[in-house]
Amino acid sequence: AQKITQTQPGMFVQEKEAVTLDCTYDTSDPSYGLFWYKQPSSGEMIFLIYQGSYDQQNATEGRYSLNFQKARKSANLVISASQLGDSAMYFCAMRRSGGSNYKLTFGKGTLLTVNP
Amino acid sequence: NAGVTQTPKFQVLKTGQSMTLQCAQDMNHNSMYWYRQDPGMGLRLIYYSASEGTTDKGEVPNGYNVSRLNKREFSLRLELAAPSQTSVYFCASSGLEGGPNGYTFGSGTRLTVV
Repeated sequence: AQKITQTQPGMFVQEKEAVTLDCTYDTSDPSYGLFWYKQPSSGEMIFLIYQGSYDQQNATEGRYSLNFQKARKSANLVISASQLGDSAMYFCAMRRSGGSNYKLTFGKGTLLTVNP
Repeated sequence: NAGVTQTPKFQVLKTGQSMTLQCAQDMNHNSMYWYRQDPGMGLRLIYYSASEGTTDKGEVPNGYNVSRLNKREFSLRLELAAPSQTSVYFCASSGLEGGPNGYTFGSGTRLTVV
């Protein structure tokens, strides 16, 4: 079974500063994918970034980067130069690779508040 | 626009009533999912359908049934609604590879059972 742990229920950051949201995972699958989603107060799920377990480099997408430490089973999201619009709930998720079952397992989320 | 469409967006039920949440996707995805989101719990998988004609239980299936009507449609039924089923329900779909951009979520259904 797969498990995602997000230990920070809430985080605060000043506008224009960087922030790291923690995510650790547990799986026995040799191949898997890790995701981060953003959920603003409007409720939609917005895909941010993806990391494959065999990817050699950490994923980056604009101001988002994923600090992937495979041996420690962590996949932290780093947001650089925070903006007020970054205030939202953030979810870490994973799925196994291969086969026909691609269900996502989510963590409980971290509520990020960006202060002006 | 292509995507996942859920209906209704809001619903209030009385305890013991039944209802069906509808989900349709036009992404030509093989897999579809139903999640529920509760405060502090993240999204938990209720049921999923890896391909047309198959359905499987997820983490929290009790009190729910599903039907994969065709490749496009995947419905979630509450037979005897209970207050514990008050939640926000998300439908999602994914392509065969389930790759990085392969998941599409609906906008959610906010269900209150009184």
